Formats: sequence, structure tokens, C-alpha cells
Amino acid sequence: DTEVTQTPKHLVMGMTNKKSLKCEQHMGHRAMYWYKQKAKKPPELMFVYSYEKLSINESVPSRFSPECPNSSLLNLHLHALQPEDSALYLCASSQVFPRLGGEGYTFGSGTRLTVV
Amino acid sequence: KNEVEQSPQNLTAQEGEFITINCSYSVGISALHWLQQHPGGGIVSLFMLSSGKKKHGRLIATINIQEKHSSLHITASHPRDSAVYICAVRRSGGGADGLTFGKGTHLIIQP
Repeated sequence: DTEVTQTPKHLVMGMTNKKSLKCEQHMGHRAMYWYKQKAKKPPELMFVYSYEKLSINESVPSRFSPECPNSSLLNLHLHALQPEDSALYLCASSQVFPRLGGEGYTFGSGTRLTVV
Repeated sequence: KNEVEQSPQNLTAQEGEFITINCSYSVGISALHWLQQHPGGGIVSLFMLSSGKKKHGRLIATINIQEKHSSLHITASHPRDSAVYICAVRRSGGGADGLTFGKGTHLIIQP
């Protein structure tokens, strides 16, 4: 299995809702990432998990709460979002220390989030 | 100045033309990635390079570590190659710290 699977593919939520995004990989990658991408912009890093521990939080508002329950799963819990949080949310995974010529990054196909 | 610069930002070409997209970076890296993204879609990793040259079908990627420069070439371009191509680098120093992205090159191949 060489994929990163993200669910759901599309999500519409109200500003008072609580929802979760899910990401799963079975490549043995021990680094997992959440990125946010607005239209016509490159992805922006949100969180990095390394060996199931949060290693980087790029000053993301607390209405986004990541969770890594095991080495294959990464969740992003959403609560009280704003319309400006509408974006494509991408999950990715990699080895923590990439070997020369080894595997690179693998991205999921993303969750298209609309906050109304 | 951005740490990863791509050129051109936009490129329109006719089917069959040879395409070159350039990427320059200013930081030490452990790897450079070329990524493809179709409108509204997720990101597909095309190449990861740490030296030399790689080829996959009609796509060729090269990197010159000394000059901190990489190029992505598409031979015999086809309308299905129309997409945004993104150069991204993984900084040296080890550990998982995300990728630093260029702004992307929006490629349109006309039939």
C-alpha cells in the first residue's frame, strides 16, 4: 500500500459544528503532516507529528486540534471554525529521516472544507 | 526573497512542445521534490531528487546541488499535462519539518 487516504473528500460545516478529518497510511512512515491550501496558493504547513508526537505547530489557532492515535492514523478535529478556514486540507507522510534515494513525501488527495 | 523560486509562473504551450520549468533555492536541502496538482485536486509527487537526474515516462527532472538549481522537463507535451507544477525542498539537518514550497508554475498545453 503506497497511498495516503483522506476522508471525507468534501465537508461542509457550520460555524458551531464539530467535525473531524481523518488521514491513514500503511507505508510505515513515522512522520505525518497537516497542510492547509487556499486557492491558487502553495500549501502551508500546520502540524507535524514525528513518532506519534507533535513536533511542530505552526501557530495554528486552537479551533484546529490534531491527534495521532497510532503510527498509521492522523486526525484533525475542527470546532468553531470561521468561513476563512475554508480550504483544501492535505495530509502527507514521510520517513522521519529520508534515505538518499529513498521514499519521499506521499500526499493524500485532500479534504475540501467549506465553512458556512 | 522566497527560499524557493520557480519560473515561469505561467506557461502556455502547444501540444508536442518541449517544456522546461526551473526552480532555484537558497537553503541547504536533503531533497528536492517536484509535485503536480490538477485544478481542485490533491498533490501527486512526481520526483524526489538529491542528486543527478531522474526520468519517468515523458518527464525528466535534474538537479545541480552546487548551483542550487533544478529543472523539470516535459517532452512531447499533451493537454493532460496541464496542471500546476510545484517545486518543494526538504531542508537538511534531519528530522521531519515539512516542505518549503515554491509558488508553482501554472502550465496549460493547448491542443
